[in-house]
Amino acid sequence: DAGVTQSPTHLIKTRGQQVTLRCSPISGHKSVSWYQQVLGQGPQFIFQYYEKEERGRGNFPDRFSARQFPNYSSELNVNALLLGDSALYLCASSLSNYGYTFGSGTRLTVV
Amino acid sequence: EDQVTQSPEALRLQEGESSSLNCSYTVSGLRGLFWYRQDPGKGPEFLFTLYSAGEEKEKERLKATLTKKESFLHITAPKPEDSATYLCAVQAPSNFGNEKLTFGTGTRLTIIP
Repeated sequence: DAGVTQSPTHLIKTRGQQVTLRCSPISGHKSVSWYQQVLGQGPQFIFQYYEKEERGRGNFPDRFSARQFPNYSSELNVNALLLGDSALYLCASSLSNYGYTFGSGTRLTVV
Repeated sequence: EDQVTQSPEALRLQEGESSSLNCSYTVSGLRGLFWYRQDPGKGPEFLFTLYSAGEEKEKERLKATLTKKESFLHITAPKPEDSATYLCAVQAPSNFGNEKLTFGTGTRLTIIP
């Protein structure tokens, strides 16, 4: 069974640009969460979606947005990129909110 | 606000030298405490979930324990392949169905052959 898949794996963008990251959860998982992990730090919560509805938002600016599709896949969008947005972006899916399986992440570099 | 503090930040051990990693937490009602292993450039890999004080779980050379204020990850006779960053996270109940994880900064473990 496939795990959580994220695309792309690596991305380089210029300051001010916009980026879209994609996540496919484990089959049957209806909850998808997004986390940002800056080098040397633990992951920080950005969003959670369940059954296509936003269930929570972390302390991130409005430049960050997300959505979940009918097939439970999800996209994370970041507008007006800043150098500080450079990080590993992780997607996690869950069946019951008790166990989260993470993908390998998308490494975003903003130059 | 939920808080998680992990210590030490980094730990170097000889192969076979047992030790423990600490995770101290402050949370408004603990729904679960999670341990993950993370290799460089990869996503966190799930190890354990602990739900209540006194609970213990084991997997190969790893054993996780939980009290009301902290959790320990004990590593017995580690091997070089156990080298990784170990992350601790807590989950608190939410009226809005938001079951976010709050992570610590991790312990970077290096096992020297």
